[in-house]
Amino acid sequence: GAGVSQSPRYKVTKRGQDVALRCDPISGHVSLYWYRQALGQGPEFLTYFNYEAQQDKSGLPNDRFSAERPEGSISTLTIQRTEQRDSAMYRCASSRQGRSTDTQYFGPGTRLTVL
Amino acid sequence: QKEVEQDPGPLSVPEGAIVSLNCTYSNSAFQYFMWYRQYSRKGPELLMYTYSSGNKEDGRFTAQVDKSSKYISLFIRDSQPSDSATYLCAMSALSYNTDKLIFGTGTRLQVFP
Repeated sequence: GAGVSQSPRYKVTKRGQDVALRCDPISGHVSLYWYRQALGQGPEFLTYFNYEAQQDKSGLPNDRFSAERPEGSISTLTIQRTEQRDSAMYRCASSRQGRSTDTQYFGPGTRLTVL
Repeated sequence: QKEVEQDPGPLSVPEGAIVSLNCTYSNSAFQYFMWYRQYSRKGPELLMYTYSSGNKEDGRFTAQVDKSSKYISLFIRDSQPSDSATYLCAMSALSYNTDKLIFGTGTRLQVFP
């Protein structure tokens, strides 16, 4: 594709519900990253994948958060039993070759609101 | 204390001014330094990157790194209204085990005609 795409763009859910956020990286990109960005803040690292392997999940806040990339392309970030503090913009990025110096291209984000 | 500190602004300057944006960091393992620009309601996009201490110039933009002081800067010459955006510094330790970027909070810049 032309760029990183994310869906849905907006998600409103009630506290306690599970949500799944989807990221479709640039075609052929090896690495995929998930970040969370609160209003007026920079992106905060959550986790990243090289191909289908989750390389680092140190940024996931707690065990309600999980991510997968089963075929090394599309990724899903799942938040179980959502809480109001989970409300934020969730951004996905991808990079070409999985080197830390490769440019990360960001998607438009999913705005999650937990009521 | 956050690993990366950045003044959130906002910074408001007239067109044509020289803009200086800065970040400080505490982790001496950071080796790779980037500046991202983020327009309203858009994702961040990479503007410049540098590995080492010193200056790197790209058109109207100059990135400066001082590792001894753990201080990085982005200078914008002849600023334009189209430069109005949030500027985020980001850093990486270039570790074999992780690719994660650590971002500053971002500085919101407004260039008025």
